[in-house]
Amino acid sequence: QSVLTQPPSVSGAPGQRVTISCTGSRSNMGAGFDVHWYQQLPGTPPKLLIYGNNNRPSGVPDRFSASKAATSASLAINGLQPDDEADYYCLSHDYSLSGGVFGTGTKVTVL
Amino acid sequence: QVQVVESGGGVVQPGRSLRLSCAASGFRFSVYAMHWVRQAPGKGLEWVAVISNDGTNKYYADSVKGRFTISRDNSKNTVFLQMNSLRPEDTALYYCAKDSGAVAGTGWFDPWGQGTLVTVSS
Repeated sequence: QSVLTQPPSVSGAPGQRVTISCTGSRSNMGAGFDVHWYQQLPGTPPKLLIYGNNNRPSGVPDRFSASKAATSASLAINGLQPDDEADYYCLSHDYSLSGGVFGTGTKVTVL
Repeated sequence: QVQVVESGGGVVQPGRSLRLSCAASGFRFSVYAMHWVRQAPGKGLEWVAVISNDGTNKYYADSVKGRFTISRDNSKNTVFLQMNSLRPEDTALYYCAKDSGAVAGTGWFDPWGQGTLVTVSS
């Protein structure tokens, strides 16, 4: 089963910048499929953070940004805040599955 | 507002069946593909299945292929997940999510429901 690889955890002090990587393969991101990002707070469903590689839905602060290149993508959080403590997941499409594939998830800790 | 609400979860013995439902509202249901995604306790997200807007195309994760069936009733704005031959490793919170497009292409999943918990245990 295809999967996108993320670091298990990242941390930073309030106000700092952290980045989360998402590494895929030729059957998903490398095939040109978009990457989307989700934030999941404890006990809640995932919330759409970024869609179409680098677009923010209305209401998402511009502290969150993302980019994609070939078989990898990254999410950046600028000006880290305590409320940013959550799990973050990337999502893409995989043609070998004809369905979605999620990243392994990254826990962000604000020190 | 645009929302989806899952139901049908519960405790079931290994080898038995369960049918989940997801009721959608606030958007033209028949225009969009719909997904099921699950999350085992303390684990990450796992895509389970997708059905195209008109129900003609259905795709499954390898872990559920041959045991789970996704379907939809566009007249009732509802998508279903029939789960047969359940295993302990199917224990998870099952989420329903709307795709941003009609078929399982490059779309993103939004919104998600609150999920319905399935526990497979003897």
